[in-house]
Amino acid sequence: SQKIEQNSEALNIQEGKTATLTCNYTNYSPAYLQWYRQDPGRGPVFLLLIRENEKEKRKERLKVTFDTTLKQSLFHITASQPADSATYLCALSYSGAGSYQLTFGKGTKLSVIP
Amino acid sequence: SAVISQKPSRDICQRGTSLTIQCQVDSQVTMMFWYRQQPGQSLTLIATANQGSEATYESGFVIDKFPISRPNLTFSTLTVSNMSPEDSSIYLCSVEFGNEQFFGPGTRLTVL
Repeated sequence: SQKIEQNSEALNIQEGKTATLTCNYTNYSPAYLQWYRQDPGRGPVFLLLIRENEKEKRKERLKVTFDTTLKQSLFHITASQPADSATYLCALSYSGAGSYQLTFGKGTKLSVIP
Repeated sequence: SAVISQKPSRDICQRGTSLTIQCQVDSQVTMMFWYRQQPGQSLTLIATANQGSEATYESGFVIDKFPISRPNLTFSTLTVSNMSPEDSSIYLCSVEFGNEQFFGPGTRLTVL
């Protein structure tokens, strides 16, 4: 069966360091992979999208890589700040039976310690 | 982009009752999506609502339990019927623009 795993439920990191979150998947051939941020009591907010033919995508302090051979995406936040503390979700998009599909991982709760 | 509002933001309901959640989008969209996020779990797609046709339900979700309305291109409702404590969850509606998914703030439902 299809599966998405985010490597840890929680990650603590010192302010200023680079946070690296991992998303692994099995039995998918995704068209693209997305990363979202979710704060408590709020809906997820889109951050970045990377397509299957792209290796890396950057946006300000965020960087996403996508390795379709390893079936893995890495999400990096450089120079992390306490305001980056949130839950980060990865999601895979693929076309199934003509309908749009978006499947989410459980998320990694990031805490940036001052 | 899209701005999405949901009502109610939260509710506490008795077992056996039903709750209807409303979702309003500030733009016209073809498809609206309803998700459930149970405590400690990932977002799970319940159904896709197209205007003018019946909703498409994902495996494990049925119309009798989660009837959906889509009367126009900016509005949808999801009803959670005959509720049990297992239905306690956050329910989110969502739309897609250009491969980006936009989410409402969610409705936190507690069933006693």
